[in-house]
Amino acid sequence: DGGITQSPKYLFRKEGQNVTLSCEQNLNHDAMYWYRQDPGQGLRLIYYSQIVNDFQKGDIAEGYSVSREKKESFPLTVTSAQKNPTAFYLCASSRVRQGGEKLFFGSGTQLSVL
Amino acid sequence: LAKTTQPISMDSYEGQEVNITCSHNNIATNDYITWYQQFPSQGPRFIIQGYKTKVTNEVASLFIPADRKSSTLSLPRVSLSDTAVYYCLVGDTGSSASKIIFGSGTRLSIRP
Repeated sequence: DGGITQSPKYLFRKEGQNVTLSCEQNLNHDAMYWYRQDPGQGLRLIYYSQIVNDFQKGDIAEGYSVSREKKESFPLTVTSAQKNPTAFYLCASSRVRQGGEKLFFGSGTQLSVL
Repeated sequence: LAKTTQPISMDSYEGQEVNITCSHNNIATNDYITWYQQFPSQGPRFIIQGYKTKVTNEVASLFIPADRKSSTLSLPRVSLSDTAVYYCLVGDTGSSASKIIFGSGTRLSIRP
């Protein structure tokens, strides 16, 4: 089945530790995105990438880093600089073209701090 | 950026038709209106998208007036499984999805 796979489903981070969230898609989409969702809130954009080896900061990029070495993969690292990392993280992808497109989302990773 | 306003929450009963209205006064010419559904601990799922007039699919209908400053998502004969958060988004998700703003959505609760 085509889709987006996020792993792990649950992740725990210790103080001062960097953790990496995985996102893989087999939809042949050019664009990929990372969002953060806090309880009862909407989604906020962390980083996005519209092409391999290029990515841009979103609204809340501080304390996060990404890479886009392959079209199908867009991992997100939550660094120790992110002081409040507990949240639900969602990865999405889409085609890039004029005229409206759908965002396809993964099932999310819940990150908690120990 | 086109900001949207939608009710924070709505309640209804099984078998009823539910209409959720979204206001987007500064919608741009190239913007589409897209609705997503999100269940707890899951990613949002695309429901329907439209540009003008009416769009219908197997899940919902989307009504857009001529001035496009608002839109209404219509869910016919809801069931308990329609309990979720519904997001109204405005923008060109194809060429500028990075500019799409997810508000807090409308929390829809369906009762037996």
